[in-house]
Amino acid sequence: DGGITQSPKYLFRKEGQNVTLSCEQNLNHDAMYWYRQDPGQGLRLIYYSQIVNDFQKGDIAEGYSVSREKKESFPLTVTSAQKNPTAFYLCASSSQRGVETYNEQFFGPGTRLTVL
Amino acid sequence: KNEVEQSPQNLTAQEGEFITINCSYSVGISALHWLQQHPGGGIVSLFMLSSGKKKHGRLIATINIQEKHSSLHITASHPRDSAVYICAVRWGGSEKLVFGKGMKLTVNP
Repeated sequence: DGGITQSPKYLFRKEGQNVTLSCEQNLNHDAMYWYRQDPGQGLRLIYYSQIVNDFQKGDIAEGYSVSREKKESFPLTVTSAQKNPTAFYLCASSSQRGVETYNEQFFGPGTRLTVL
Repeated sequence: KNEVEQSPQNLTAQEGEFITINCSYSVGISALHWLQQHPGGGIVSLFMLSSGKKKHGRLIATINIQEKHSSLHITASHPRDSAVYICAVRWGGSEKLVFGKGMKLTVNP
């Protein structure tokens, strides 16, 4: 089945450690996105990538890093520089990378990160 | 400032009721999305629309471009409709979505 997978669903880390969240899609989508969700707030964009080997900062990129070495994979690293890393992280993808035509975004199941 | 406002923030309904969820935005947009998030956290896209009205099963989404307002209607609501409903907009020329805070719907049997 086509879709987006994120692993693990729950992740616990000690303060000061870097942690990498996985996101894989087999939808052949060009664009991929990482969002953060906090209680009582809307989703906020961390990073996005419109094509392999290219990515742009979103609204809250500080303390995060990404890579896009393969079309199907867009891992997110939460570094020790991120002041409040505990949150729910959602990955998404869409089939259009240009600004002319906008398609819906498909979301993964999310990873809940807790930093102790 | 580009903003997306949803109302109400929480809604409790009885099974079978007709439900309306509202979304307002501050400037002109190119597209508006309605999303559904279940308690487990996964998000499903319900509708993407830029004008008029769309219907899928018991769900109807409308948008009024002049009023900068969209509504999501649920007919014959059911407990399985209990979820958080999120409105998101894309402003012209932007790849990015801006999300509302969501509205938590609880449908009691």
